[in-house]
Amino acid sequence: EDQVTQSPEALRLQEGESSSLNCSYTVSGLRGLFWYRQDPGKGPEFLFTLYSAGEEKEKERLKATLTKKESFLHITAPKPEDSATYLCAVNAGNMLTFGGGTRLMVKP
Amino acid sequence: SQTIHQWPATLVQPVGSPLSLECTVEGTSNPNLYWYRQAAGRGLQLLFYSVGIGQISSEVPQNLSASRPQDRQFILSSKKLLLSDSGFYLCAAEGPGNTIYFGEGSWLTVV
Repeated sequence: EDQVTQSPEALRLQEGESSSLNCSYTVSGLRGLFWYRQDPGKGPEFLFTLYSAGEEKEKERLKATLTKKESFLHITAPKPEDSATYLCAVNAGNMLTFGGGTRLMVKP
Repeated sequence: SQTIHQWPATLVQPVGSPLSLECTVEGTSNPNLYWYRQAAGRGLQLLFYSVGIGQISSEVPQNLSASRPQDRQFILSSKKLLLSDSGFYLCAAEGPGNTIYFGEGSWLTVV
C-alpha cells in the first residue's frame, strides 16, 4: 500500500529564516512526486513534479528535491506570503496518494 | 492549460437531503477525473476517479456516488446526506506529465 508521511505537521518561521519540509514515501512504481500549496478555503495549487531520484526543481524561494525514499521542499528566506499548507503526493497508478500536509506560518 | 470549474462553492444541507456537486473541465479532452474530500484539518481522501465516460471507480465505501455523463463533466451525488459527509470537496483532472490539477472546491456543511 502506498504511504506518504509529511513532517513536521506545523512549522513556524520568522521572515527570512530558511528551512525544509520533509515528505517520506513508500510506493511501488513511482510515476511522479508532486508538491502543492494550499491556502485556506482554496483548492491545492500545483508547484512541482519530480520523477526520479536526484531531480531538483526551483520556483522563486522554493526548491524541491527527490531521493528514492523522500522529498524535501526547501524554503529560502521565506516571506509572510509563503504561509500556507504544503502538500506532498505520489502517483503510482491512476491516482494520487497525499500526505497530511505541513502548515507553514511565516511571521514578519 | 486546463481550467476546472466547481459549483456550488458553498452549500448548507439538512441531514437526509440529496446532494449534487458538479465539475466541468476546460482545455483538455478525455482527462482522468477525480473527486477528493478534505475534512477539517486533515489530508485529502480520494473518493472516486474516472478514466472515461460512464467509467467510475470508488475508493471508499460511503453513501456518495459519482457519475460522468460527458467527457469533461463529473458529478458527485448523494441520495441522503449524513452529518459525516460535511467537508471540502475537490474535483481534479489529470493534465500533462501525470500532474493532477484541482478546482477551487465546494464547501458542504450538513446540519
